[in-house]
Amino acid sequence: EAGVTQFPSHSVIEKGQTVTLRCDPISGHDNLYWYRRVMGKEIKFLLHFVKESKQDESGMPNNRFLAERTGGTYSTLKVQPAELEDSGVYFCASSQESAAGPSYEQYFGPGTRLTVT
Amino acid sequence: AQSVTQPDIHITVSEGASLELRCNYSYGATPYLFWYVQSPGQGLQLLLKYFSGDTLVQGIKGFEAEFKRSQSSFNLRKPSVHWSDAAEYFCAVVPAPYSGAGSYQLTFGKGTKLSVIP
Repeated sequence: EAGVTQFPSHSVIEKGQTVTLRCDPISGHDNLYWYRRVMGKEIKFLLHFVKESKQDESGMPNNRFLAERTGGTYSTLKVQPAELEDSGVYFCASSQESAAGPSYEQYFGPGTRLTVT
Repeated sequence: AQSVTQPDIHITVSEGASLELRCNYSYGATPYLFWYVQSPGQGLQLLLKYFSGDTLVQGIKGFEAEFKRSQSSFNLRKPSVHWSDAAEYFCAVVPAPYSGAGSYQLTFGKGTKLSVIP
C-alpha cells in the first residue's frame, strides 16, 4: 500500500511568487491534515479536511494560504504571494475514519521543503 | 500556556547504550500521547501511542514509553540503541480527544535529534 506522497520534495521561489504544494493521502483515508515546521520551531497544525470539507482551519496563518481538496482525494496548498517567513517544511498526513470519528493515528508524508528567497 | 516540552534538543549515545528521551506536557486533562520518528528524507513514522490503560506501551523498532500522570510525562526508552536509530524524535499530544472539530490536530514538541556513535 502506498503511503502519503507529497510533491514537490523541495521548492525554491522568490518572495512574491506563488507556490502550490500537493499531497496525495493513503487511498481510502477520508481525513487529510496539513502541518508546517518553520526552522527551529515545532511542527504546527494548519488544517484538517474530512473528505472535501474543511473541518478545522484554525492553524492557517493568514489569507495568503489556500487549501483545497476537490473530490476528497488529493489536496493542494497554495501560498500566494509567498513571504520569507513562509519558508519551512510542509507536511501532509492522513487518517482513516472510524465509527467514533477520525482515527487518531495519522500517517505522514515526507514533507515539502519550501524556501522563499 | 499549554504546551509539549522536549527538553533535549540533541542527544548523542553510543551504539548499544540505553536511551531515554524526555517529553512533558502541560494540559489539564490526560491527552492522547504519541511518539514519532523522522529519519533523513523520510516522513514522520508513528513509533507508539497512549490513549488509556496500561501506562507502559510498546512500540515498533524496540521502543517503549511510560505515561506518568503525576509527572505529566511520556518518556521514550530503548534498552540498546542501534546506529539506524539516528533520527529526530517528536513527542505529540492531542489535548482533548473527541471534543469537537478542533480536537484532531496533533500538538508537537520541538523534537530531539539523536546521534549514535558507532
